[in-house]
Amino acid sequence: GIQVEQSPPDLILQEGANSTLRCNFSDSVNNLQWFHQNPWGQLINLFYIPSGTKQNGRLSATTVATERYSLLYISSSQTTDSGVYFCAVSPKNTGNQFYFGTGTSLTVIP
Amino acid sequence: NAGVMQNPRHLVRRRGQEARLRCSPMKGHSHVYWYRQLPEEGLKFMVYLQKENIIDESGMPKERFSAEFPKEGPSILRIQQVVRGDSAAYFCASSPLPGTEARAFFGQGTRLTVV
Repeated sequence: GIQVEQSPPDLILQEGANSTLRCNFSDSVNNLQWFHQNPWGQLINLFYIPSGTKQNGRLSATTVATERYSLLYISSSQTTDSGVYFCAVSPKNTGNQFYFGTGTSLTVIP
Repeated sequence: NAGVMQNPRHLVRRRGQEARLRCSPMKGHSHVYWYRQLPEEGLKFMVYLQKENIIDESGMPKERFSAEFPKEGPSILRIQQVVRGDSAAYFCASSPLPGTEARAFFGQGTRLTVV
């Protein structure tokens, strides 16, 4: 099946810093989403972004489908941004499920 | 428009008991997916259902697990004779279109603990 790799696996930031999280995938996809799993385990939808760029407040995301990667940008990080960020993709022509990456664990310290 | 609702949020079962997890999709969504997250891991696909039909159950364990999405009411994931290894978070997602052609919305999950 498709491989989804996220980097870095762990990240520690000072409050107010910026960061970039990366998601590489090994095959063409027709769907890509970013999620934030907070320390209480809740899964929060961030972006639906199979291609292009989107922004929502301090977060933005870019997917370059032809080069098989997506980036999630977090600016002016806050302690509430802590948690695990997952990228999930659905391959073209086999589209019944999402394949999740192993996540980036982010800790924002005050 | 309420999001995907899962209940219960937490469920404790003794080994050998049955666990029933419920998922009510978003209004207007007729496609439901179940995922399992083992401790310290990402989410893994289990099953994809439409109303009254199982479309893809390639991720379901062969025994003890079943899922349904009746014409009326929530989708149910049923685990019979639970074992310690079933302890995990179970997430449900729904979407308005088939497969993964549209954004999927995830519920808050049910955390199953088998003691």
